[in-house]
Amino acid sequence: NAGVTQTPKFQVLKTGQSMTLQCAQDMNHEYMSWYRQDPGMGLRLIHYSVGAGITDQGEVPNGYNVSRSTTEDFPLRLLSAAPSQTSVYFCASSPPGTRIHGYTFGSGTRLTVV
Amino acid sequence: GQQVMQIPQYQHVQEGEDFTTYCNSSTTLSNIQWYKQRPGGHPVFLIQLVKSGEVKKQKRLTFQFGEAKKNSSLHITATQTTDVGTYFCAGQEGYSTLTFGKGTMLLVSP
Repeated sequence: NAGVTQTPKFQVLKTGQSMTLQCAQDMNHEYMSWYRQDPGMGLRLIHYSVGAGITDQGEVPNGYNVSRSTTEDFPLRLLSAAPSQTSVYFCASSPPGTRIHGYTFGSGTRLTVV
Repeated sequence: GQQVMQIPQYQHVQEGEDFTTYCNSSTTLSNIQWYKQRPGGHPVFLIQLVKSGEVKKQKRLTFQFGEAKKNSSLHITATQTTDVGTYFCAGQEGYSTLTFGKGTMLLVSP
């Protein structure tokens, strides 16, 4: 099993550009989520999904869109990149159940917006 | 909304010394999880605590969940250089999403 795979690992965008961060998992996990990590801010939840076709907003959703058409994939779209979106983005997944199990994180995408 | 506070933000110890990080929630938690992130890496799940007063051990690491299920701690006995990284707690209230603390960065000098 590859676990959670994120692409790309690094990206530089110009202000106003759009892009999609890819996240795929091969563990048949129903729950998937996106976090951003900034120095001194910990991990902040952007969007999450409890299954295919279902998504919801987290703590910091503005400027980001998600969709979940399959169990395996959960892409994060930046609509119009801003310097404030410079961050490290992590995708995470966990198995189904009434209580959250430990999350499996991807290796991250380091995004710089200039 | 739910808040999870973690202290200290940073700690520098000599190899062999003990280390403890504390996590406090503004609300009663259904469970709490601990993660470790090595420099330049991604968070890795360590453990989950569910029961009031629960204590779990993993080799030199001891995890505790408070009686009121609003606080938790991670204690490392006799630190090693391999323990370097940032330790995060993450709490869940009911069936809500996990809320992460800001982490404690541990530096261990040989």
